Amino acid sequence: DTEVTQTPKHLVMGMTNKKSLKCEQHMGHRAMYWYKQKAKKPPELMFVYSYEKLSINESVPSRFSPECPNSSLLNLHLHALQPEDSALYLCASSLTLITGVAKNIQYFGAGTRLSVL
Amino acid sequence: AQKVTQAQTEISVVEKEDVTLDCVYETRDTTYYLFWYKQPPSGELVFLIRRNSFDEQNEISGRYSWNFQKSTSSFNFTITASQVVDSAVYFCAPLSGAGSYQLTFGKGTKLSVIP
Repeated sequence: DTEVTQTPKHLVMGMTNKKSLKCEQHMGHRAMYWYKQKAKKPPELMFVYSYEKLSINESVPSRFSPECPNSSLLNLHLHALQPEDSALYLCASSLTLITGVAKNIQYFGAGTRLSVL
Repeated sequence: AQKVTQAQTEISVVEKEDVTLDCVYETRDTTYYLFWYKQPPSGELVFLIRRNSFDEQNEISGRYSWNFQKSTSSFNFTITASQVVDSAVYFCAPLSGAGSYQLTFGKGTKLSVIP
């Protein structure tokens, strides 16, 4: 089973709203990632968590706030977003961050399509 | 500096034709990993293959095959007897250097298989 589940699948929000994206995996993976993908572009890394601790923040604006409450769950809290934040938000997980580990592959969820009005 | 190039932006083929997607990865690192992902219109990135820089054996999995040539920095992906379900964007994504965790996605190649 290589399933990463993201909810909701679609989200429409106003610029003053607060919303959260949720990502869940039950593969025992200890690294989890958030990516942002604009239309017709490749995914871009936003955040990386390793063992529930934030390892990397790729200079993402503070209106995006990640949270990793436990090893299976990753949230992305959204507040005061701009229309240019409209995109597909993808979550991924991998066994660890250690590249050389055999089978250390990032598995992705289906994403949340976010529209900011 | 590292650079991944997927020169083909869009490809259209008729069903049952073979199609090859190109990926060139330029790096000074001697150890790296190369991944291919498929992204159908539904949005999910589906892992297809991971190869190590020290393993140049070609690989075949069903209708899919991969040809990795370190000398030319190319990691090409061939679909034999293409099907409509193969229509998707295909990303080549290298991961370079010991301890590195960050996938760097190429721009992707959109494949359309016409019935």
